[in-house]
Amino acid sequence: GEDVEQSLFLSVREGDSSVINCTYTDSSSTYLYWYKQEPGAGLQLLTYIFSNMDMKQDQRLTVLLNKKDKHLSLRIADTQTGDSAIYFCAVPRKGYQKVTFGTGTKLQVIP
Amino acid sequence: NAGVTQTPKFQVLKTGQSMTLQCAQDMNHNSMYWYRQDPGMGLRLIYYSASEGTTDKGEVPNGYNVSRLNKREFSLRLESAAPSQTSVYFCASSGLAGAALHTQYFGPGTRLTVL
Repeated sequence: GEDVEQSLFLSVREGDSSVINCTYTDSSSTYLYWYKQEPGAGLQLLTYIFSNMDMKQDQRLTVLLNKKDKHLSLRIADTQTGDSAIYFCAVPRKGYQKVTFGTGTKLQVIP
Repeated sequence: NAGVTQTPKFQVLKTGQSMTLQCAQDMNHNSMYWYRQDPGMGLRLIYYSASEGTTDKGEVPNGYNVSRLNKREFSLRLESAAPSQTSVYFCASSGLAGAALHTQYFGPGTRLTVL
């Protein structure tokens, strides 16, 4: 099966950039995803990248994809306290309408 | 348009009791999912339903049953609750094409404690 790994915790100061990393073992997907979970809530899609792209920028968010190394990252520029949340990468599985979620990275933003 | 709704939001059970978690979506999605979330373990798929009338096991189905009542509703049943089932349960649904094929929309979760 698919393994999706993330570090569990990241702490940054307000205004700095945050980089959240994700590695996966296999993917046949055309898309890879980042979800955000705020305290006490369900996950919400944050952004996604098409698998033939290396980079996608969306306002303060930059997604980088290295298919050779099976490495996905999410960069948040000018991190704000409102960005404090758990971030999950998600990699769809072969042949099914299912995804494997990473373990989640809890981002703490220090004022 | 409420998206994905779940009831109840919180529940405390004693070991051996049974209960059903309810989930409904109003986005006309074919696929629905039940996950559990435990600290440090991410989301684990319990069961999913690719379309009305079909259900399949996920990674951690033991101790659970599901019913896809119609296109909108997908319920999760614990027949005899155990402390190991203490968790946060999320229902999700997904649509048909492009990025939407794998984009999942989540409910707010049910926080279950089994004593």
